[in-house]
Amino acid sequence: EIVLTQSPDTLSLSPGDRATLSCRASQSFSSNSLAWYQQRPGQAPRLLIYGATSRSTGIPDRFSGSGSGTDFTLTISGLEPEDFAVYYCQQYGSSVRTFGHGTKVEIK
Amino acid sequence: QVQLQESGPRLLKPSETLSLTCSVSGDSISASSWSWIRRPPGEGLEFLGSIYNSGKTYYTPSVKSRLTMSRDTSKNQFSLKLTSVTAADTAVYYCTRGWGSLDYWGQGILVTVSS
Repeated sequence: EIVLTQSPDTLSLSPGDRATLSCRASQSFSSNSLAWYQQRPGQAPRLLIYGATSRSTGIPDRFSGSGSGTDFTLTISGLEPEDFAVYYCQQYGSSVRTFGHGTKVEIK
Repeated sequence: QVQLQESGPRLLKPSETLSLTCSVSGDSISASSWSWIRRPPGEGLEFLGSIYNSGKTYYTPSVKSRLTMSRDTSKNQFSLKLTSVTAADTAVYYCTRGWGSLDYWGQGILVTVSS
């Protein structure tokens, strides 16, 4: 099973700041099959990025994904108030799909 | 717009069977693949299993011996059955579209296992 380690656990930032979230895999997996999700309190997760770099439908371009192999990054350029939430990465390149434990982006 | 809605009992006793149904609108369950995810209190997301558009299923090894997924194409629904539940199965359960990245999610249903 591929373990995804997200860092940091919590990111304290102000609106307008740039957020950089990391997701590191215990082993590489196929085809950059990595997704990022946002979960706001009381809501279901929302798909932001798939294929490591492709934005899902309707996702603002301030969200961007990068990386390959075992190291992946989600960048939010210019935090909006609605962006303060928990972010999860997920790999689907192996038969056992796994999620990271999440990074909470909180208001400083 | 694709919408998913989970339904089922919210309180179970240990050793009982958890049965959840996901009702889908805006897409045919025969045309796509569908998955169940859960989030235990205070923990992260766990991928449970998928039912593909072919009808074949995949279950995560940690629950494989207890999990069955099925679908009813006439009702455009798919279901989860998890046997012999314990307190560790207490979680918010989500039904989703996809088997890789998951682009549509239900709102989730909190299922509590307690004696």
